[in-house]
Amino acid sequence: RKEVEQDPGPFNVPEGATVAFNCTYSNSASQSFFWYRQDCRKEPKLLMSVYSSGNEDGRFTAQLNRASQYISLLIRDSKLSDSATYLCVVNPPGAGGYNKLIFGAGTRLAVHP
Amino acid sequence: ETGVTQSPTHLIKTRGQQVTLRCSSQSGHNTVSWYQQALGQGPQFIFQYYREEENGRGNFPPRFSGLQFPNYSSELNVNALELDDSALYLCASSLNNALDNYGYTFGSGTRLTVV
Repeated sequence: RKEVEQDPGPFNVPEGATVAFNCTYSNSASQSFFWYRQDCRKEPKLLMSVYSSGNEDGRFTAQLNRASQYISLLIRDSKLSDSATYLCVVNPPGAGGYNKLIFGAGTRLAVHP
Repeated sequence: ETGVTQSPTHLIKTRGQQVTLRCSSQSGHNTVSWYQQALGQGPQFIFQYYREEENGRGNFPPRFSGLQFPNYSSELNVNALELDDSALYLCASSLNNALDNYGYTFGSGTRLTVV
């Protein structure tokens, strides 16, 4: 089983649509959770952290369910500029106390006019 | 405050050759992490350097090695290149191995093609 699993998509949605991405992780001791956005041939960039209480940043809402080991990202009122790959990212405990990020393979989103 | 910078941006090497990739950490940061991102995959953790010592390693063979210098810049070396080493190599820096609510900021990466 992969440590972080995502639906690869692609999700093809019209402008203005609401789209939801889901992610599951295997290590229940994971500490921190993030969504990164990656544009074609560019580096991943942090979109938002994910907190247990859920958090919102403009059109983006992230949720974490520790009991189910499940993370979600909701994008409302999709824009053309939202087209990208969205990476679910988890920080599991490191054996030597170091921090590393475990990335899902990403979910592609294509927003069309 | 300068961000993470990587060089070169693109590189083409022949199978069996050796390659060195470079990363300058963000000002004030003493920890550098390296990741490999193959096409269609998420980045995978290679290793991390903290104060010039390797303090964590992912599932990569010994032909992947690294260095961190006193100014906290870092190198990733790959020997005996294989076709599957073709990927985007990403570097991220942090302070004292910490991962805060902002995650890691990555450099723009080095795209390595092995032919």
